[in-house]
Amino acid sequence: EVQLVQSGAEVKKPGESLKISCKTSGYSFSNYWIAWVRQTPGKGLEWMAMIYPGDSDTRYSPSFQGQVSISADRSLSAAYLQWGSLKASDTAIYYCARRGSSSFSFDPWGQGTLVTVSS
Amino acid sequence: QSALTQPASVSGSPGQSITISCTATSSDVGSFDLVSWYQQHPGKAPKLIIYEVTKRPSGLSNRFSGSKSGNTASLTISGLQAEDEADYFCCSYAGTNTWVFGGGTKLTVL
Repeated sequence: EVQLVQSGAEVKKPGESLKISCKTSGYSFSNYWIAWVRQTPGKGLEWMAMIYPGDSDTRYSPSFQGQVSISADRSLSAAYLQWGSLKASDTAIYYCARRGSSSFSFDPWGQGTLVTVSS
Repeated sequence: QSALTQPASVSGSPGQSITISCTATSSDVGSFDLVSWYQQHPGKAPKLIIYEVTKRPSGLSNRFSGSKSGNTASLTISGLQAEDEADYFCCSYAGTNTWVFGGGTKLTVL
């Protein structure tokens, strides 16, 4: 069974750094793109970025380019999303999701990580 | 502003059929042939229910179907059931390995 399990909820202050994880199992991690998606009450779902663990190729939405960075560790079958300096507006639920090998959709999804940024 | 526009809410009674539309407002989504739909229950992760406009993942109920006409994709749920009450999001490939989501539609089963 393909599974994506994300790290737990985080509470941070503005300006702090953060790295959240998405640990995968049940498939060949290197051969599938992993996407990160943000969900906020006001803006719904937003596609942020994607990484191909096989060669660490990355793609970013223009809205998130320079604001976050993504990475992958093939030895741990895990993908990561990180911030260098959090803002209150980064408060959201963040999901990782696997792109199908020959499809343009995302399945399955991780359970989500709630990130709260507040002073 | 999303390049995909969905109605904020739709409703229907058990047993009825409902349709949720997803209209592309930008040419960024190309031919709009790579639309997927996701169901999200409160507090849960989104779940893929339709991909490439009309295809259903293995094991998914055939009460869910997708279609497209011009720049509008649609999700139809027939034989509405209480457990169908959820948020539904459309998503389209926008080229160069980027994607865009619609704003989401809240389905209420009366």
